[in-house]
Amino acid sequence: GAVVSQHPSRVICKSGTSVKIECRSLDFQATTMFWYRQFPKQSLMLMATSNEGSKATYEQGVEKDKFLINHASLTLSTLTVTSAHPEDSSFYICSARVLADVEQYFGPGTRLTVT
Amino acid sequence: QKEVEQNSGPLSVPEGAIASLNCTYSDRGSQSFFWYRQYSGKSPELIMSIYSNGDKEDGRFTAQLNKASQYVSLLIRDSQPSDSATYLCAVKQGSQGNLIFGKGTKLSVKP
Repeated sequence: GAVVSQHPSRVICKSGTSVKIECRSLDFQATTMFWYRQFPKQSLMLMATSNEGSKATYEQGVEKDKFLINHASLTLSTLTVTSAHPEDSSFYICSARVLADVEQYFGPGTRLTVT
Repeated sequence: QKEVEQNSGPLSVPEGAIASLNCTYSDRGSQSFFWYRQYSGKSPELIMSIYSNGDKEDGRFTAQLNKASQYVSLLIRDSQPSDSATYLCAVKQGSQGNLIFGKGTKLSVKP
């Protein structure tokens, strides 16, 4: 099956700093990548969708200036949490798919803790 | 508001039994349906996809889809303790759309 990696798997940062999370499709070219956030005991919430070479489409209520997404190539997307605050502490998961009508594969997730 | 509904559980079954997980969705035009398994602290793992009415079997897993009733289910035969996880139902909006996830059903398989 398709493999998606994320780095780092876990990060702790201080309030006010920025954190970058990388998402890579290892054995396929991902035309679309998705970023999700999951708080404890809650379901996945889609934050944004990005297509290679285009600006990301953010879901309602997600601040695009705070969560910067770059999808510069068909195998790499990055999410930068700028000026992180404790309420941004969460499990961030990326997902990728090749074409619009096939399955979506998830990375292992990044657990962000902001102190 | 397009929704995907699941019973949050927990659903508890003895080892070796059949676990039945259910999901309903609101968008009648949905065409693609997925079941993901998520272990605690891990990301979701795709276990089944189904696109047409009826049953689809893969090993111990069977997905069932009834578009008229807007209902999709997952059966796990010969349940094992390692099947204990949260099962997420996901529905894709149209052919170009994003996945809409249910809140998940927590399954506990008791030895």
